[in-house]
Amino acid sequence: AQSVTQLDSQVPVFEEAPVELRCNYSSSVSVYLFWYVQYPNQGLQLLLKYLSGSTLVESINGFEAEFNKSQTSFHLRKPSVHISDTAEYFCAVSDSGGSNYKLTFGKGTLLTVNP
Amino acid sequence: EAGVAQSPRYKIIEKRQSVAFWCNPISGHATLYWYQQILGQGPKLLIQFQNNGVVDDSQLPKDRFSAERLKGVDSTLKIQPAKLEDSAVYLCASSAAGLPRETQYFGPGTRLLVL
Repeated sequence: AQSVTQLDSQVPVFEEAPVELRCNYSSSVSVYLFWYVQYPNQGLQLLLKYLSGSTLVESINGFEAEFNKSQTSFHLRKPSVHISDTAEYFCAVSDSGGSNYKLTFGKGTLLTVNP
Repeated sequence: EAGVAQSPRYKIIEKRQSVAFWCNPISGHATLYWYQQILGQGPKLLIQFQNNGVVDDSQLPKDRFSAERLKGVDSTLKIQPAKLEDSAVYLCASSAAGLPRETQYFGPGTRLLVL
């Protein structure tokens, strides 16, 4: 069975500061990894995903995440955050090669960007 | 292109009452998902449909929850009778073919409060 651990439930930062949201996963098979973001009163939307190839993936709004197989991690980073980045961020994993296509989510990290 | 639509957005009921949620996925998407998101936790898959057939309902409490997707488009999730612990946000999502590498597109959710 797969599982996802997001080590920080809340991360407060000041505007223009760097941020890292941590995600570790557990799986016995190869995986696909995702970061979804949930803005207040909205549904989840995909931020970025790792499927294969380069272990560093980027989003259009400046976030990046690096897949580290040896450490089973997929941490999300941004060098300089904006007020508009305030949201809840969910890390998720799915089995890439088996018959279980279920997406398993972590508990989420609430990022609060303060002026 | 229209996103995933859900209604109602909010619902308050007494315990032991019944309630139903409706979802209209993105046009052409074969796969539809219902998730339960309890406060402070990540979304948990309740049921996955491929067209109008059930792919995974292993985490659906079948003694009180039921779901259907007639004609492979819209879907309804029902709870009867509701319990206090059913208070949560119910998210509907869809994807093109249900493959694990695909992005899931989420609706805004229905927030249920059981008193």
